[in-house]
Amino acid sequence: DQQVKQNSPSLSVQEGRISILNCDYTNSMFDYFLWYKKYPAEGPTFLISISSIKDKNEDGRFTVFLNKSAKHLSLHIVPSQPGDSAVYFCAASDFWNTDKLIFGTGTRLQVFP
Amino acid sequence: SQTIHQWPATLVQPVGSPLSLECTVEGTSNPNLYWYRQAAGRGLQLLFYSVGIGQISSEVPQNLSASRPQDRQFILSSKKLLLSDSGFYLCAWRVRGEYSNQPQHFGDGTRLSIL
Repeated sequence: DQQVKQNSPSLSVQEGRISILNCDYTNSMFDYFLWYKKYPAEGPTFLISISSIKDKNEDGRFTVFLNKSAKHLSLHIVPSQPGDSAVYFCAASDFWNTDKLIFGTGTRLQVFP
Repeated sequence: SQTIHQWPATLVQPVGSPLSLECTVEGTSNPNLYWYRQAAGRGLQLLFYSVGIGQISSEVPQNLSASRPQDRQFILSSKKLLLSDSGFYLCAWRVRGEYSNQPQHFGDGTRLSIL
């Protein structure tokens, strides 16, 4: 059972525009959510996180939104840059199992000029 | 600053051979340590985690084992590799703290191919 789902395997966005990556989850016990960025042949790099007590968290060009009632989170990148081209993973954990991150399958973002 | 090292970066092994992948963390003490595997086209799957020396929790029963002989060293092993063990293996660490929301930080991984 896939508890964290990224239903779009790929996304293509023009440079300067907004990129929106989506993630859905099924476990209502999840209370901590993260986004990671991964380049080929490298490990994932932590981007931004959000706790379930918030519905928005910003860090520079990156904003994560959390909709608990819909069990949905999204990552907004504004403005998108060619260097943002990578695979993005969302992940989640719950209070009793903070060591157990559950990852989605990833969305490949391509930002073109 | 903290850094995490994994080696080797790539490895080709025959079926039935043993395996030892090593991971070390620098710049922090008492980290929580993790081993993940990413199969082709899939997300990361947690294999093992450790909250201290000699303390290993296994998430997926399989052909692999993990050990933590020192505070900042985490080793992934197998006595006899299977074809299904092929994949991208990642080590990660995070600040120690039960019930604490801290991100995990990953190494650059080992690409393991079994022939």
